[in-house]
Amino acid sequence: SQQGEEDPQALSIQEGENATMNCSYKTSINNLQWYRQNSGRGLVHLILIRSNEREKHSGRLRVTLDTSKKSSSLLITASRAADTASYFCATDLQGAQKLVFGQGTRLTINP
Amino acid sequence: DAGVIQSPRHEVTEMGQEVTLRCKPISGHNSLFWYRQTMMRGLELLIYFNNNVPIDDSGMPEDRFSAKMPNASFSTLKIQPSEPRDSAVYFCASRGDRGTEAFFGQGTRLTVV
Repeated sequence: SQQGEEDPQALSIQEGENATMNCSYKTSINNLQWYRQNSGRGLVHLILIRSNEREKHSGRLRVTLDTSKKSSSLLITASRAADTASYFCATDLQGAQKLVFGQGTRLTINP
Repeated sequence: DAGVIQSPRHEVTEMGQEVTLRCKPISGHNSLFWYRQTMMRGLELLIYFNNNVPIDDSGMPEDRFSAKMPNASFSTLKIQPSEPRDSAVYFCASRGDRGTEAFFGQGTRLTVV
């Protein structure tokens, strides 16, 4: 079964708006990672947040982590058409070495 | 480094045939993952290796699937015999130290007819 579940499954917004995607997971983690996938391509790493961190920034990306609620969010500010892609959270499980992905959020930015 | 290299990029085969997918991880990485992506099931972890040793193959769907990593620079995923429901995109990924980011290959799109 999937460890992470993203919400919403699909999101469509206008260029310039902010996009927020959420991820919930089930078991203890070492870290949580966000990836992006353009259609027909491999996944590309965006940002990693460790279990002892609460918030992290990278350019227009902001990630939060709440280990008590077992949830994370990815915020993309000032969205651009080029941000159109699928976004996945991945949990790096504590006690194991495997990286388990959620179902993803398909983000569409309308020009 | 050229990144994670997978071959072939596309494979079309007939039901019952053997299929072998190949992966070359990034040099120096000691963990390798095989994933399968479909619309229905998303991105499933099939198996992963650490230092060439299979650690967890609980995601391998059936005995028809097998994976090997004979050395640090090469891994294969084999399906024998293949079935139409195996049609998917198969990704290989590698990473260095535990707890770091993974790097993905471009994937192999498998179609079994």
